[in-house]
Amino acid sequence: NAGVTQTPKFQVLKTGQSMTLQCAQDMNHNSMYWYRQDPGMGLRLIYYSASEGTTDKGEVPNGYNVSRLNKREFSLRLESAAPSQTSVYFCASREAGELFFGEGSRLTVL
Amino acid sequence: TQLLEQSPQFLSIQEGENLTVYCNSSSVFSSLQWYRQEPGEGPVLLVTVVTGGEVKKLKRLTFQFGDARKDSSLHITAAQPGDTGLYLCAGGSWGKLQFGAGTQVVVTP
Repeated sequence: NAGVTQTPKFQVLKTGQSMTLQCAQDMNHNSMYWYRQDPGMGLRLIYYSASEGTTDKGEVPNGYNVSRLNKREFSLRLESAAPSQTSVYFCASREAGELFFGEGSRLTVL
Repeated sequence: TQLLEQSPQFLSIQEGENLTVYCNSSSVFSSLQWYRQEPGEGPVLLVTVVTGGEVKKLKRLTFQFGDARKDSSLHITAAQPGDTGLYLCAGGSWGKLQFGAGTQVVVTP
């Protein structure tokens, strides 16, 4: 019972480098989300996808792009990483009224 | 802008004690959710409250939604070390779900 799987779990980047965070869910959920979590800030929504083929901006989308590759997979891309993007990133999928989160990806940008 | 204010930010208690954490807002929410997050893991849903004045119990945890649907509380009776974690409240529509900053609860044996 994998649920929501995120890769990588840890990553260190230099300013200006690019990378993609991968997320896959095996629960056949339509909606998927990317959040970032920073101390004292709670979870903030970056992008979401209500269904396959659609994506929408959340509260803090600047500096990020997303791709809903198929129903299972929703990736988050940082084109040119900045130190302000140092955070823990969580992918989630939703069934009815419940969000199911992955274990998180800790990203450090130097 | 943080719409959901949680208090206290940190709470450390002994096993067996009771505790209450709060989630307050100036906005009305159609529903509020409470999640618990353990270190190195994602949040896990505990409960959803939808009706003003509603009280829900989950074993030793009691959740209350304010009459005006602007605030909620979580009360833990006889806390145990397994209750240690970050408690988050969340409210709003799915495209704009807002999370509070959380209350870190530590229960020591």
